[in-house]
Amino acid sequence: GENVEQHPSTLSVQEGDSAVIKCTYSDSASNYFPWYKQELGKGPQLIIDIRSNVGEKKDQRIAVTLNKTAKHFSLHITETQPEDSAVYFCAASPFSGGYNKLIFGAGTRLAVHP
Amino acid sequence: DAGVTQSPTHLIKTRGQQVTLRCSPKSGHDTVSWYQQALGQGPQFIFQYYEEEERQRGNFPDRFSGHQFPNYSSELNVNALLLGDSALYLCASITRRGNHEQYFGPGTRLTVT
Repeated sequence: GENVEQHPSTLSVQEGDSAVIKCTYSDSASNYFPWYKQELGKGPQLIIDIRSNVGEKKDQRIAVTLNKTAKHFSLHITETQPEDSAVYFCAASPFSGGYNKLIFGAGTRLAVHP
Repeated sequence: DAGVTQSPTHLIKTRGQQVTLRCSPKSGHDTVSWYQQALGQGPQFIFQYYEEEERQRGNFPDRFSGHQFPNYSSELNVNALLLGDSALYLCASITRRGNHEQYFGPGTRLTVT
């Protein structure tokens, strides 16, 4: 079945350190992999995404990598800041015929300590 | 440019009752997906509406139904509420004309007592 596993469930870092969150997906038909940041009391906010024809993508302090062979993708945050503290979700989308539901991981609670 | 809006923000219902949640998609978006997010978990896909029809459905019982209107807004209806239906209900909007990006609203927090 369709499943996305996400690790770790919690992550605590010092300000300025890097943070890495890893996900594994099961459906080989997945070809779109977004990452969302969710702050308390808010809906998930899209922060970066990657498509299956790309191995890596960067946006300032955030980068994502994708290994389709191993069905792994990861989020890297460099120079972390206290405002990066939130719950991060990875997702995979088995895009087919225009109907692109998202299968989410269980989330990683990131705490950045000043 | 308006983002995704949802109403109401919070709702408290009793077991067995029915509830209707509403969503207006982002300007220019024509497709709406609904997700259920239980406390401490990732969102789970309920269903997706495009051209006023349900196009894809997740593993949710028939008590969960929806509707999409000509202006692309959508409703989620849940009948015969159970305690386990307590969750944050999220709406996401997408446009088929472009990329796959889905934008979420702030959600409706439903509590069933």
